[in-house]
Amino acid sequence: DAGVTQSPTHLIKTRGQQVTLRCSPKSGHDTVSWYQQALGQGPQFIFQYYEEEERQRGNFPDRFSGHQFPNYSSELNVNALLLGDSALYLCASSLAGTGRDTEAFFGQGTRLTVV
Amino acid sequence: LAKTTQPISMDSYEGQEVNITCSHNNIATNDYITWYQQFPSQGPRFIIQGYKTKVTNEVASLFIPADRKSSTLSLPRVSLSDTAVYYCLVGDFTGFQKLVFGTGTRLLVSP
Repeated sequence: DAGVTQSPTHLIKTRGQQVTLRCSPKSGHDTVSWYQQALGQGPQFIFQYYEEEERQRGNFPDRFSGHQFPNYSSELNVNALLLGDSALYLCASSLAGTGRDTEAFFGQGTRLTVV
Repeated sequence: LAKTTQPISMDSYEGQEVNITCSHNNIATNDYITWYQQFPSQGPRFIIQGYKTKVTNEVASLFIPADRKSSTLSLPRVSLSDTAVYYCLVGDFTGFQKLVFGTGTRLLVSP
């Protein structure tokens, strides 16, 4: 049973460019959340997708957008890249609902470097 | 979401027991306490979750006093591979819960 997979693992982009990161959730999970982790900091919530819609969003500008596909996989898009967007981007999947068996599983992340 | 406070760093030696305490004075009645472990360049990994008293699994124990304003993650007989950042989170942890991470506790285990 594959866990959460993210691609690519590393990426280098130039300021002003656009980037797309991809995530496949753990089998059986239907909710995908994205986090940004700067060096030395804890992960910060970007947004969450469920049923192909953005369900909630953290304090990130509109340059950050996403999408969820019918197979529950997800993409994170960042436009007009800034040097400060350099970070580890993490995808977490979970199962929607109010039960206790809704543990979030994280992927290994995509290391984005903006130069 | 309740804010958490934990030590920035801790040092230990192989074979010792490590206890990391987290303060969460404003924890709500419905909130659970969850600990995650993160190795460099990897995503956080769930360790343990509890509501009150004591919870134990194959990896760690979690001690929660009656007032629930703090909790202690206990790692028995640590090894070098336990060197990581440990995060304490508080929330209801339903499927739609967004996780709020602090800066965590950086544990360094030496030989």
